[in-house]
Amino acid sequence: AQSVTQPDIHITVSEGASLELRCNYSYGATPYLFWYVQSPGQGLQLLLKYFSGDTLVQGIKGFEAEFKRSQSSFNLRKPSVHWSDAAEYFCAVGGTGGYNKLIFGAGTRLAVHP
Amino acid sequence: GAGVSQSPSNKVTEKGKDVELRCDPISGHTALYWYRQSLGQGLEFLIYFQGNSAPDKSGLPSDRFSAERTGGSVSTLTIQRTQQEDSAVYLCASRSSGRGNNEQFFGPGTRLTVL
Repeated sequence: AQSVTQPDIHITVSEGASLELRCNYSYGATPYLFWYVQSPGQGLQLLLKYFSGDTLVQGIKGFEAEFKRSQSSFNLRKPSVHWSDAAEYFCAVGGTGGYNKLIFGAGTRLAVHP
Repeated sequence: GAGVSQSPSNKVTEKGKDVELRCDPISGHTALYWYRQSLGQGLEFLIYFQGNSAPDKSGLPSDRFSAERTGGSVSTLTIQRTQQEDSAVYLCASRSSGRGNNEQFFGPGTRLTVL
């Protein structure tokens, strides 16, 4: 069955510290992988996506993610967190072709301490 | 506007009433999705429209839920005889049909509260 696991429900980091949010997926075919961010009261904003090619992808707001097929992982990283990064982060997997129904993880809520 | 819009932004209704939620996708996007975000279930796929093809309704939780898309643009999600467990944020997303383009753009959502 297709699924996405985000093992960390809540993470708290200090401003300026590095961040890694974990994501593991189960998908029978070549996955399309996404990270979205949702700030309070806001819709989902795409941070980055992986379709093929270079397994390290760069996104907006200084985020990057690395696709590791052997580990079925797509972890999100940021070298230095800003207070404005406090939000909920969702990892999602979708299929190839035109369909691409997204399957989301449960989300990781990030708190940033000054 | 350039993005996906949804209306209303908030809807409070009484149990047993019907509600309609509207989604205006990005102009020219042929694919449209409805998702539901609730505390207990996270983000769940509900239904998918692609052009003139029959919609994929596999995510609709019960026959009280239905959706239509008129003229390949605006979509309406209807919930009949609402129940308290229908309380959630309903998100709409649209996607271009361009080759290899699988990015979905999300609207701000409609927060539904069933009393």
